[in-house]
Amino acid sequence: DAGVIQSPRHEVTEMGQEVTLRCKPISGHDYLFWYRQTMMRGLELLIYFNNNVPIDDSGMPEDRFSAKMPNASFSTLKIQPSEPRDSAVYFCASSSRSHHGYTFGSGTRLTVV
Amino acid sequence: KNEVEQSPQNLTAQEGEFITINCSYSVGISALHWLQQHPGGGIVSLFMLSSGKKKHGRLIATINIQEKHSSLHITASHPRDSAVYICAAASSKNSGGSNYKLTFGKGTLLTVNP
Repeated sequence: DAGVIQSPRHEVTEMGQEVTLRCKPISGHDYLFWYRQTMMRGLELLIYFNNNVPIDDSGMPEDRFSAKMPNASFSTLKIQPSEPRDSAVYFCASSSRSHHGYTFGSGTRLTVV
Repeated sequence: KNEVEQSPQNLTAQEGEFITINCSYSVGISALHWLQQHPGGGIVSLFMLSSGKKKHGRLIATINIQEKHSSLHITASHPRDSAVYICAAASSKNSGGSNYKLTFGKGTLLTVNP
């Protein structure tokens, strides 16, 4: 298995633009998580899905953030409009009950200028 | 106050030294995770444990549920162990399958010098 695949690895965009981050979880994993990592706040959970259904989105900072999981092999995190304070590394991770652990993607480094 | 506290924040060691990183948590948990992140790199899950001790190579993780405390030990440390080590607690308060929801410590930056 190729692991959790995130794209793009790096994204630089101008303030106000829409940004879409993508994630392909490990096949067979039924949990998918989106995390954000900044120097100031460390790692924070944004939202997670179980069997493609959003379970907890209490970490999504504002209405500018939205996440979808249309099927078991794909999820997106969208920021519209983006702001400089959204600059961070965004990680996707997947897990399953039988796996009892997490597998993280390589992350997307987002810079909003 | 963060629900998961790690110490120390920074740790510098000489190659070969025995390393201990501590983690205390204030919530009831279903599992405790130790993660490793190299500078500019991705995050690797090292251990998930809910009781006792686990060992993988030179790494050992222990947990004391009564004291709400976990430790990560590295024996015979090596410069390639230099990384940020993050403790994360999966809360048992959450319903359904959300014991997978993690609360993270701030991380411990370990530098092992040759």
